[in-house]
Amino acid sequence: QKEVEQNSGPLSVPEGAIASLNCTYSDRGSQSFFWYRQYSGKSPELIMSIYSNGDKEDGRFTAQLNKASQYVSLLIRDSQPSDSATYLCAVSLSGSARQLTFGSGTQLTVLP
Amino acid sequence: GAVVSQHPSRVICKSGTSVKIECRSLDFQATTMFWYRQFPKQSLMLMATSNEGSKATYEQGVEKDKFLINHASLTLSTLTVTSAHPEDSSFYICSARILDSPYEQYFGPGTRLTVT
Repeated sequence: QKEVEQNSGPLSVPEGAIASLNCTYSDRGSQSFFWYRQYSGKSPELIMSIYSNGDKEDGRFTAQLNKASQYVSLLIRDSQPSDSATYLCAVSLSGSARQLTFGSGTQLTVLP
Repeated sequence: GAVVSQHPSRVICKSGTSVKIECRSLDFQATTMFWYRQFPKQSLMLMATSNEGSKATYEQGVEKDKFLINHASLTLSTLTVTSAHPEDSSFYICSARILDSPYEQYFGPGTRLTVT
């Protein structure tokens, strides 16, 4: 079983819609959760971090964490074509010296 | 803030030569830096964790004699790919962790290595 799983997509949404990205993790002791955006040929860019259960909002982005169900999600409101990228979920596993384990990423395409 | 640079951004080298990649934290101190490798259409794979002033910790399957890591200061870590071969061609990305934010990692722009 992979430690961090994401639906690879591709996920397509029309411009202005809400894009919903999901991630599950296997280690119940995981402490920190991140969403990175990676454009093709570029390195990842941190867009959200979340450490406790519930929602965290930052602009058009909302991260949701449910530790009991071991999932974390990212909602992108009012999606724009510039949001088209691969979104990587990353988890800091317990006992991992704070290293990050990445999911395989979900490719999002926002159609104009 | 939290800017990480890498140099070079692209490098092409011949098989058997060595290549050094630098990773710098520009506006913060980083006691820990991480080196990743990413093949096309795959996710990031952690190669090693680099701690300032101590030996790097390599992930299973990564040859420490082939991928030499030096973290000489709180703002600089280097990765040297020794005796490079075509299968080493990849996108190498470093990240740094801010001292007072122990979990967030900020990535450099990456170095695309092509070995001919």
